Amino acid sequence: QKEVEQNSGPLSVPEGAIASLNCTYSDRGSQSFFWYRQYSGKSPELIMFIYSNGDKEDGRFTAQLNKASQYVSLLIRDSQPSDSATYLCAVNENAGNMLTFGGGTRLMVKP
Amino acid sequence: EAEVAQSPRYKITEKSQAVAFWCDPISGHATLYWYRQILGQGPELLVQFQDESVVDDSQLPKDRFSAERLKGVDSTLKIQPAELGDSAMYLCASSGDRPGEKLFFGSGTQLSVL
Repeated sequence: QKEVEQNSGPLSVPEGAIASLNCTYSDRGSQSFFWYRQYSGKSPELIMFIYSNGDKEDGRFTAQLNKASQYVSLLIRDSQPSDSATYLCAVNENAGNMLTFGGGTRLMVKP
Repeated sequence: EAEVAQSPRYKITEKSQAVAFWCDPISGHATLYWYRQILGQGPELLVQFQDESVVDDSQLPKDRFSAERLKGVDSTLKIQPAELGDSAMYLCASSGDRPGEKLFFGSGTQLSVL
């Protein structure tokens, strides 16, 4: 069974710090990787995607992918209280676009 | 900005009753997904459509759940009869049909079964 694993948290960081969120996946055939942010009671919102090994930066967010280690991470620089949410890692196999989600990591940014 | 439309936003029902959820994907998106998210967990796929055809419904509890997308545009997910364990957020998402396309979610339907 294909799995996507995340630490459920909560991960607590002070305002202005770097938050590091991690995700591992079991299917070596996975091709596309996504990070969604989900506020309590709301639906997931896509914030980052990465297809190739290495780093991808978008504003305060950096996604990192290491296919050999089957590991993907999300860094949030200069964390703000508004970043407090659950972050979902999602992985796409090479056939079709169905996403398999991890259980999410709850991030708390304290002022 | 194009969005996935879902209704209702909230639904409260009693067990053994029937409920239905509606979804209209982003215009031009051929692929439509229904996910279920239990509180504290990640979304789990119930059914995936490509146009009007079911691509994957292996996790859909077919004794009580049904889904259709008759004209390949909007879709309806039905539960009959509802059980207490069905209380969850039901999320609809859509994407293009090329590999690696991004999924965009609607606002979801929060179902409470009493």
